[in-house]
Amino acid sequence: GQNIDQPTEMTATEGAIVQINCTYQTSGFNGLFWYQQHAGEAPTFLSYNVLDGLEEKGRFSSFLSRSKGYSYLLLKELQMKDSASYLCAVGANNLFFGTGTRLTVIP
Amino acid sequence: SAVISQKPSRDICQRGTSLTIQCQVDSQVTMMFWYRQQPGQSLTLIATANQGSEATYESGFVIDKFPISRPNLTFSTLTVSNMSPEDSSIYLCSVEEGRRGTEAFFGQGTRLTVV
Repeated sequence: GQNIDQPTEMTATEGAIVQINCTYQTSGFNGLFWYQQHAGEAPTFLSYNVLDGLEEKGRFSSFLSRSKGYSYLLLKELQMKDSASYLCAVGANNLFFGTGTRLTVIP
Repeated sequence: SAVISQKPSRDICQRGTSLTIQCQVDSQVTMMFWYRQQPGQSLTLIATANQGSEATYESGFVIDKFPISRPNLTFSTLTVSNMSPEDSSIYLCSVEEGRRGTEAFFGQGTRLTVV
């Protein structure tokens, strides 16, 4: 079966750094994806990890440890517009989504 | 990346009626998927829309309730049949380019409210 866990909610301050964790157990693995979803909108792709290590893309970085079934999304220099839900998804035979972490950025 | 147009963007429907949601992609894609996102929850895969054959449904979803068409490689429809308030949700069309279980691109979603 598939199981993906991530915190339900997080709050962070504008300009700060926040780390959103995701743990997973899946049968099969094609990669680990992070999506951003603003309220009322469709998810948009943020990052993809298939090998262990850190992938950096501007203010966003994503880390993967396949042996530990663990990933995190790191957001630096937080902006108010980063307030959104962040979905961890694991690619296997299908794409399986976690329940999402609702991040609120406060001034 | 594929550009996906989904319509309607929202609708309010009476219980017992049906709604058909359309998904148009600007390029030919092998894999098209339909997801549901209930309020405050993440995405749940309803089915894979297969071109030229019957859709493949996930556990908990059946063809009578969610009939799907896929007449060609750029278009699919999802019908939500005999609706009840529990069907109020966002329905999302998605495509994946390349190997299955890889990066997904989403339409803008259809916000359905059943009253």
